[in-house]
Amino acid sequence: AQSVTQPDIHITVSEGASLELRCNYSYGATPYLFWYVQSPGQGLQLLLKYFSGDTLVQGIKGFEAEFKRSQSSFNLRKPSVHWSDAAEYFCAVGSGNTPLVFGKGTRLSVIA
Amino acid sequence: NAGVTQTPKFRVLKTGQSMTLLCAQDMNHEYMYWYRQDPGMGLRLIHYSVGEGTTAKGEVPDGYNVSRLKKQNFLLGLESAAPSQTSVYFCASSYLNGLAGGKQFFGPGTRLTVL
Repeated sequence: AQSVTQPDIHITVSEGASLELRCNYSYGATPYLFWYVQSPGQGLQLLLKYFSGDTLVQGIKGFEAEFKRSQSSFNLRKPSVHWSDAAEYFCAVGSGNTPLVFGKGTRLSVIA
Repeated sequence: NAGVTQTPKFRVLKTGQSMTLLCAQDMNHEYMYWYRQDPGMGLRLIHYSVGEGTTAKGEVPDGYNVSRLKKQNFLLGLESAAPSQTSVYFCASSYLNGLAGGKQFFGPGTRLTVL
């Protein structure tokens, strides 16, 4: 069965610092991989997705993620964090035949 | 274009009461989903639908029923609410591109408390 692990429950970074959120997945075939963001009191919004091709994908709000098959990882990165990036981030994995499975999320706090 | 809307936004129930949560989307999406979100648990899929008149069980379907009588609506029912069903419920919809292939659009959520 497919599964997603986000090892970090909570991360705090300084505004302007770089960010990396980790995501590891378990899936038999080549997965579809997603990162979603949830601001407080809101629904989820898609940041980026990977289906195939270039393993470095660009998303909205300056985020990018890199698919590494050998490490079963799809880590999310941003070179310079803004206070408005404070939110909860969810990694998800699925395929054309199975619904998405979400990780438990990583809460990002941004300090001045 | 309202996207995905959910009714109600908040609800408090007593144990044993029933209720229906309504999800509506105006994007002509084939796929619709109901999730629950609990602290430290992420999102867990309750039920989903791949088209009008179809429903399927997700990861945590027990205690819930769903119906998709119209393409734009997906209803989630609790026949006899239990405190364990206290949660935030999210509805989502996506394009016809496989179950996980399409970008999912999420509603704002319904916060349900069962006393």
